[in-house]
Amino acid sequence: DTGVSQDPRHKITKRGQNVTFRCDPISEHNRLYWYRQTLGQGPEFLTYFQNEAQLEKSRLLSDRFSAERPKGSFSTLEIQRTEQGDSAMYLCASSLGSGGVNTGELFFGEGSRLTVL
Amino acid sequence: AQKITQTQPGMFVQEKEAVTLDCTYDTSDPSYGLFWYKQPSSGEMIFLIYQGSYDQQNATEGRYSLNFQKARKSANLVISASQLGDSAMYFCAMSLSNDYKLSFGAGTTVTVRA
Repeated sequence: DTGVSQDPRHKITKRGQNVTFRCDPISEHNRLYWYRQTLGQGPEFLTYFQNEAQLEKSRLLSDRFSAERPKGSFSTLEIQRTEQGDSAMYLCASSLGSGGVNTGELFFGEGSRLTVL
Repeated sequence: AQKITQTQPGMFVQEKEAVTLDCTYDTSDPSYGLFWYKQPSSGEMIFLIYQGSYDQQNATEGRYSLNFQKARKSANLVISASQLGDSAMYFCAMSLSNDYKLSFGAGTTVTVRA
């Protein structure tokens, strides 16, 4: 399977614990995105990488959230001191492109569902 | 900032019939792209169709077509000959020029009845 893969698929944690999610994009894709989706809502943009550079962060990404893409390949999203409001599906997507309007589809992984007790 | 509005939280459609999902958007940028994604219960977002703001023709992909009305700022998705497997959440999304992220609407749940 050469699609976007995310790990773990499900994570249950207690409030105050740290969690880390990993995303492996499609290998030739230079762009990588993280989104958060709560039940019954559309995905909300969190952050975006082009190669290893983090080019944009949403104001939704509080200082408890950090994302990295150290070698321009896989990415990690860490949430420190989790809160119940962090419970959501965290979606990773990747795409290939250069400049201009995004005319190509984003390829999404199946998501990592976080439950904070 | 751009905004995507999907006013239909849920819709029922009979198998083999067509269904139209509404999407309106708001932007002052003349260059933008519009997308529709399907999200079945498994959770994965599946790309369906794309329309560029300068495209003269409405986009079509198999049973999916996009009714693009630029002056009204609407980009409705039409699914023809509905199948049971079309039951899912459908999201309209937009990206602006020099902005690679997508902004999504709240989605519409489609349930296809046999």
